[in-house]
Amino acid sequence: AQTVTQSQPEMSVQEAETVTLSCTYDTSESDYYLFWYKQPPSRQMILVIRQEAYKQQNATENRFSVNFQKAAKSFSLKISDSQLGDAAMYFCAYRSGVFTGTASKLTFGTGTRLQVTL
Amino acid sequence: NAGVTQTPKFRVLKTGQSMTLLCAQDMNHEYMYWYRQDPGMGLRLIHYSVGEGTTAKGEVPDGYNVSRLKKQNFLLGLESAAPSQTSVYFCASSHRRAINYGYTFGSGTRLTVV
Repeated sequence: AQTVTQSQPEMSVQEAETVTLSCTYDTSESDYYLFWYKQPPSRQMILVIRQEAYKQQNATENRFSVNFQKAAKSFSLKISDSQLGDAAMYFCAYRSGVFTGTASKLTFGTGTRLQVTL
Repeated sequence: NAGVTQTPKFRVLKTGQSMTLLCAQDMNHEYMYWYRQDPGMGLRLIHYSVGEGTTAKGEVPDGYNVSRLKKQNFLLGLESAAPSQTSVYFCASSHRRAINYGYTFGSGTRLTVV
C-alpha cells in the first residue's frame, strides 16, 4: 500500500518570503499522480497543483511550484511571495495511475499547517 | 453547477444515536468517496464506490455503512454513534477517466458525538 509522509506539522513564513513544504511517498508503481491540496479555515479542499509521475518537468501554478524527485520519492511544494491568504493546512496526496477496482483513491499525508506572518 | 453537496454541514449527536450524511454530485461522476479528517491524521478513507449499486471498504470502515442507490448520491450512515466518530467528514467524487485531476470535494460535515 502507498503511504504519504509530511514530516512538518507546522511551518511559518513571513509575508513576501518563500517557503517549502516537504512530502515524501512510498510506492512500487511507476504510473501515478501527486497533488497538493490547500484547506483554509473555511474547510474547503482546494487543489493547488498536480504532477504526473511520467513528466520530468516540475509543475508550476503562478506562485506555487513543486520539486518532484521521482527517484527519491519526494514531492515538495514551494510557495513564493507568500501572502496572508496562503495561511492554511496543506495536504500532499498520491493517486495510482493504474486502473483497478479501488477507484484510484487518493492517499493523503497528515498535513502541514502554514502560518503567514507580517 | 453545484459540484458536490453535503448535508448537513454541522450536527451534534448523542452517543448511540444514528444518522445519515448525504452526498450529492451533479457531474455524472462514477467514483465517490467518504473520508474523515482528524487532527494529526490527515484524511482517511472510510468507504468508496465505483458506480451505482456498488460500495467497498476503505481504510477505516468500522462503525459506518454506505449506500449508493443512485449514481449521483452516496450516503454515509452511523448506526450507533460513538465519541470516537467525532470528526469532519468529506465526500468527494471523480470521473473514472480523469484520475489525473484529483477529486471534487464537498464542503464537509462537522459531526460531534457527545
